[in-house]
Amino acid sequence: GAVVSQHPSRVICKSGTSVKIECRSLDFQATTMFWYRQFPKQSLMLMATSNEGSKATYEQGVEKDKFLINHASLTLSTLTVTSAHPEDSSFYICSAPTGDNSPLHFGNGTRLTVT
Amino acid sequence: QKEVEQNSGPLSVPEGAIASLNCTYSDRGSQSFFWYRQYSGKSPELIMFIYSNGDKEDGRFTAQLNKASQYVSLLIRDSQPSDSATYLCAVIDTGGFKTIFGAGTRLFVKA
Repeated sequence: GAVVSQHPSRVICKSGTSVKIECRSLDFQATTMFWYRQFPKQSLMLMATSNEGSKATYEQGVEKDKFLINHASLTLSTLTVTSAHPEDSSFYICSAPTGDNSPLHFGNGTRLTVT
Repeated sequence: QKEVEQNSGPLSVPEGAIASLNCTYSDRGSQSFFWYRQYSGKSPELIMFIYSNGDKEDGRFTAQLNKASQYVSLLIRDSQPSDSATYLCAVIDTGGFKTIFGAGTRLFVKA
């Protein structure tokens, strides 16, 4: 149980375009989802906390107008990278807990390459 | 600032040996502790969780928790080359909501 599905797994886009990444909890309801970014050989960096039915909470230094998060249902959160630039190329991973004090279940990640 | 500290490694052990990974955390009120494994280019996967002081064993893995010392460890017995990965220590903060990750320890198991 506790499966998180993330799509797409890999995307290549041109500079200036927008990319949407979907994160779904398949067998549980996720009122909260977390979005991470990871550059090669670096640690996970929390970007934002996605809250069902309300605004996302962004970590310091993360531009909320550039990384749009929508959590419209208990099983789906989306991250849209707007006006992508090469420096946005990274590995984006979503995760969700099944409850308070429970472990995170991760999606398989999305490798974004902006050319 | 709540922190989780790990030695970045790399930790290199021969096949069949015990690998010992360590972690300290700063939030004394934390109640939940996890170890995740991350292979290169993949997302993390949960391998162990522990909530109480002492040892918890699952197959070749043993998690150890000492809340007084704010210390968590992971032992991997009979290490295999397939165990080569980055191991992330994670702690849920006092509020029970936010997971704080260490930077990870890279483990290499030599055949």
